[in-house]
Amino acid sequence: GAGVSQSPRYKVAKRGQDVALRCDPISGHVSLFWYQQALGQGPEFLTYFQNEAQLDKSGLPSDRFFAERPEGSVSTLKIQRTQQEDSAVYLCASSSRIASSAFYGYTFGSGTRLTVV
Amino acid sequence: ELKVEQNPLFLSMQEGKNYTIYCNYSTTSDRLYWYRQDPGKSLESLFVLLSNGAVKQEGRLMASLDTKARLSTLHITAAVHDLSATYFCAVDIWLADKLIFGTGTRLQVFP
Repeated sequence: GAGVSQSPRYKVAKRGQDVALRCDPISGHVSLFWYQQALGQGPEFLTYFQNEAQLDKSGLPSDRFFAERPEGSVSTLKIQRTQQEDSAVYLCASSSRIASSAFYGYTFGSGTRLTVV
Repeated sequence: ELKVEQNPLFLSMQEGKNYTIYCNYSTTSDRLYWYRQDPGKSLESLFVLLSNGAVKQEGRLMASLDTKARLSTLHITAAVHDLSATYFCAVDIWLADKLIFGTGTRLQVFP
């Protein structure tokens, strides 16, 4: 469908719990990005996929963070052994560089708000 | 390392007034984006600026890009309360394939 879809919208995790966040990009968009937005801050880049290939994971804050996109469509961001500092909104975006596309540029999903208690 | 800086960080303005938000970035860029974010919401795309001298307008907002000065501006004309939100600029470097965001400008418009 239209737009980038993320689930769940909200997630409360106990410290030490593993979580998985899902992103369903705009159909046909080969590029997919994950961003982390802490309260009162701008989004910060985590990782980037082109189709199923993870081309840049330089923004992942630790080896507890793992992302995958096995079939080049839906992506999952997994956080193992969550810590309080992981509390943030996780935004997914997909992009098109086709000038005539109605979704030219980056389109962001509604985000998943993760709270670690 | 690419840095994107916005100023002011916080802007409180009266309805009907004009103001400009500035976005400076530290390296050559192909594209510059402006987004709006309401509290608890995601990012809404406002403008995509693709070349030096580009100017785009939508309603009371007008964005421009000067790639030589590495500067973009978002001008607000005759502000209304509905414009209250946080505004982000973001710079896209083609080969790096990532969007780097500015610090954000929180705008409050009061009667």
